[in-house]
Amino acid sequence: DAGVIQSPRHEVTEMGQEVTLRCKPISGHNSLFWYRQTMMRGLELLIYFNNNVPIDDSGMPEDRFSAKMPNASFSTLKIQPSEPRDSAVYFCASSFSGTVGNTIYFGEGSWLTVV
Amino acid sequence: AQSVTQPDIHITVSEGASLELRCNYSYGATPYLFWYVQSPGQGLQLLLKYFSGDTLVQGIKGFEAEFKRSQSSFNLRKPSVHWSDAAEYFCAVGARIQGAQKLVFGQGTRLTINP
Repeated sequence: DAGVIQSPRHEVTEMGQEVTLRCKPISGHNSLFWYRQTMMRGLELLIYFNNNVPIDDSGMPEDRFSAKMPNASFSTLKIQPSEPRDSAVYFCASSFSGTVGNTIYFGEGSWLTVV
Repeated sequence: AQSVTQPDIHITVSEGASLELRCNYSYGATPYLFWYVQSPGQGLQLLLKYFSGDTLVQGIKGFEAEFKRSQSSFNLRKPSVHWSDAAEYFCAVGARIQGAQKLVFGQGTRLTINP
C-alpha cells in the first residue's frame, strides 16, 4: 500500500513567494494532520482535519498560512508570502479515526528553505 | 492540556549496551501513548503504542515500553542496541477531540551509538 505522499520533497524559494505543499493521505483514512518540525520548536501540530473538515487550526502560526482539504484524497498547505523563518520540514500525516488508539502515519516530509 | 516531556535531549550508548529513553506525559484521561523513530532525512515511523491492556508493550526492531500510570511515564527500552538504532526518538500522547485523535509530541531524544 502507498503511504502518505507529500510533494515537493524539497523546495527552495525566495522570501515573499507563495509556497504550496501537497499531501495525499492513505486511502481510507479520514483524519489528516499538518505538522511543522524545526530545531527550536520541535514537532508542532499546525492543523488537522476530520472527514475533510478543519477541526483545530490553533497551531497555524499566522494568517500567512492556510490549509485546505477539498476532498478525502488531497490537502494543501499554503504559505503566502513566505518568510525565512518559515524554513522547516513540513509533515503531513493521516489516520483512520474510527478506532481507539489508531496509528497516525507520516509522510516523508517537505523540506522548505526560504532565502 | 496534554503535554509530553522527554528529559534527555541527547543520549550516547555503546553498541550492544542496553537503552532506556524516558518519557513523561500529562493528560487528564486515560492516555494513548506512542513512540516514533525518525532517521535522518526521513519521516516518522511508529515503533509501538499503548492504549489499553498489558502495560508492557512490544514494538518493532526489538523495542518495548512500559506504561506506569502512577509515574505518568512511558519509557522506551531495548536490551541491546545496534548501530542502526541511531536516530531521533519521539514520545507522543494522543488526545481525542471531536472524533479525531491528534498527537502531541515531546521534544525528542537523539540517540548516538558508539561502535
